[in-house]
Amino acid sequence: DSGVTQTPKHLITATGQRVTLRCSPRSGDLSVYWYQQSLDQGLQFLIQYYNGEERAKGNILERFSAQQFPDLHSELNLSSLELGDSALYFCASSAGTHTEAFFGQGTRLTVV
Amino acid sequence: DQQVKQNSPSLSVQEGRISILNCDYTNSMFDYFLWYKKYPAEGPTFLISISSIKDKNEDGRFTVFLNKSAKHLSLHIVPSQPGDSAVYFCAASASGNTGKLIFGQGTTLQVKP
Repeated sequence: DSGVTQTPKHLITATGQRVTLRCSPRSGDLSVYWYQQSLDQGLQFLIQYYNGEERAKGNILERFSAQQFPDLHSELNLSSLELGDSALYFCASSAGTHTEAFFGQGTRLTVV
Repeated sequence: DQQVKQNSPSLSVQEGRISILNCDYTNSMFDYFLWYKKYPAEGPTFLISISSIKDKNEDGRFTVFLNKSAKHLSLHIVPSQPGDSAVYFCAASASGNTGKLIFGQGTTLQVKP
């Protein structure tokens, strides 16, 4: 158990819809990262928050947004969903830079 | 632009033998490297890391080697066990960066009994 909790584990939704993925980081970790893994692909960095503030942005679509709340949990919002958004979405947390990040079990999103 | 590359999609080895997984990177600013293991339906699990000030780091059966001049790192697993069968990801982080990790595409390791 990594200590990072992601909900839900599975999500099936229709094109055009909006979903919210939730992540609770390990106790004490201030950094939260979101990654997307499409079929047979590596993990693509989407966005990072540190103590409530956006710290870094990767290849995140404009239809996607995220935030980190005062209790440090984070949410990834995906809107106007397309078939190509079907993927595994992972959240990770770390205590700082140049330390390992710990990953949750992921949310498998299927857009139909 | 794939900054971290794992050119071998898969590797098959016999139980008890050595498994060598390779990773190349292009960004000279990377100075911290990690290996993760991933089983199906689970999140990546941290295995071992190495800082650019070292050329080797060992943890039990796992050893990571870093060749900065070649921008290459490798993970050695000795002896390989069937439970090591998983997808292995190489990741890198740059100094002065936020801590975000850039991942390779992964290598699927199969260890045959």
